[in-house]
Amino acid sequence: DIVMTQSPDSLAVSLGERATINCKSSQNVLYSSKNKNYLAWYQQKPGQPPKLLIYWASTRESGVPDRFSGSGSGTDFTLTINSLQAEDVAVYYCHQYYDTPPTFGQGTKLEIK
Amino acid sequence: QITLKESGPTFVRPTQTLTLTCTFSGFSLSTSTVGVGWFRQPPGKALEWLALIYRDDDRRYSPSLKSRLTITKDTSKDQVVLTMTNMDPVDTGTYYCAYRQRHNCYSYWGQGTLVTVSS
Repeated sequence: DIVMTQSPDSLAVSLGERATINCKSSQNVLYSSKNKNYLAWYQQKPGQPPKLLIYWASTRESGVPDRFSGSGSGTDFTLTINSLQAEDVAVYYCHQYYDTPPTFGQGTKLEIK
Repeated sequence: QITLKESGPTFVRPTQTLTLTCTFSGFSLSTSTVGVGWFRQPPGKALEWLALIYRDDDRRYSPSLKSRLTITKDTSKDQVVLTMTNMDPVDTGTYYCAYRQRHNCYSYWGQGTLVTVSS
């Protein structure tokens, strides 16, 4: 299985500031022939299902605010949230869909400082 | 508009079999590229993928749980059913079904159903 490791486990950021979450995969998730990284980011608020934010490592899902952005390739990825809003408080998961079984990071809990 | 909804028991005894149903709308499993998967999430813990099924009965299972899982579909009812045998308290958690296109990530999720396993 591909192991996804996120850092940090938790993060406190002031409103209006930037939050950065990192994700590292134990194997490459870049499909070279398609030049696509099979890496997604989800946001999960308490009592709610995961919400897709980013796919192909850097493509924002329709309706997701542009303060959310994804970057990285191969085995190292980053989710950046610019100008943090109160509604961004949640747990964030990275997810690889390159291989079966698809796997998730352990989650990063984002709070307001 | 794609929607999914999980249903099933909220409480099961150890060693019993859990049967969960995912009822969906806004897409058809008769479409070759469409799949429905199941996940679970123990309280306060991360998501875990369980199983996936496509139109052509292409089925995938979590290697660690494969012996306990069966996923089936009823295309006429727009439903996918997951059974998990020999339930244990460590299987307690919220179970989700979700939609994906083949080779893509899961883009639509049900609200989840909490299953508690206890004697």
